[in-house]
Amino acid sequence: GESVGLHLPTLSVQEGDNSIINCAYSNSASDYFIWYKQESGKGPQFIIDIRSNMDKRQGQRVTVLLNKTVKHLSLQIAATQPGDSAVYFCAETPNNAGNMLTFGGGTRLMVKP
Amino acid sequence: EAQVTQNPRYLITVTGKKLTVTCSQNMNHEYMSWYRQDPGLGLRQIYYSMNVEVTDKGDVPEGYKVSRKEKRNFPLILESPSPNQTSLYFCASSRRGVSSYNSPLHFGNGTRLTVT
Repeated sequence: GESVGLHLPTLSVQEGDNSIINCAYSNSASDYFIWYKQESGKGPQFIIDIRSNMDKRQGQRVTVLLNKTVKHLSLQIAATQPGDSAVYFCAETPNNAGNMLTFGGGTRLMVKP
Repeated sequence: EAQVTQNPRYLITVTGKKLTVTCSQNMNHEYMSWYRQDPGLGLRQIYYSMNVEVTDKGDVPEGYKVSRKEKRNFPLILESPSPNQTSLYFCASSRRGVSSYNSPLHFGNGTRLTVT
């Protein structure tokens, strides 16, 4: 498949454990945040999003936490499965940047059976 | 099936030979965008379009052109490709734009371009 990046931070977890992927952002004007998952050979796929007026949002097996004080975003995956192995990107868009989306560098999640 | 389709999937060309990468979406989305993905640099936005005949520069527009004559199509044009444009390119679309809640980006599967 296509390589999405060299020297990505890697998180290795045991199947069934919970995973936490972190993302720091620098723009205090960012008010909308999204997590994407990218599997080998594919484009990024939307997982979950959150607005800056929230600090937590839950989806199916995933939770996004937002700490605006320290400009930190995290993605929690419950009961991690082999199919969760991928590169995960956070993305942000400031409320004054029109429709431009800025992506973080990505974290590779590896799930050990 | 709702999807964003890019063609070709792989392309090898030589410096200076004009090329076009096509992108089409079947979801009636207003917003379309092009990104390039490079090791260590992540995904960077090239151009985006809020609607037909409306295009705007992203972070790295130099050396690229786009057009949005129809809602469903958003081709990426490299008039005179150079080796530094060797990259993995993604087209994406969303219903209303990336700043809109519940309007996530849908990505194509990428075009691997090599310019020698």
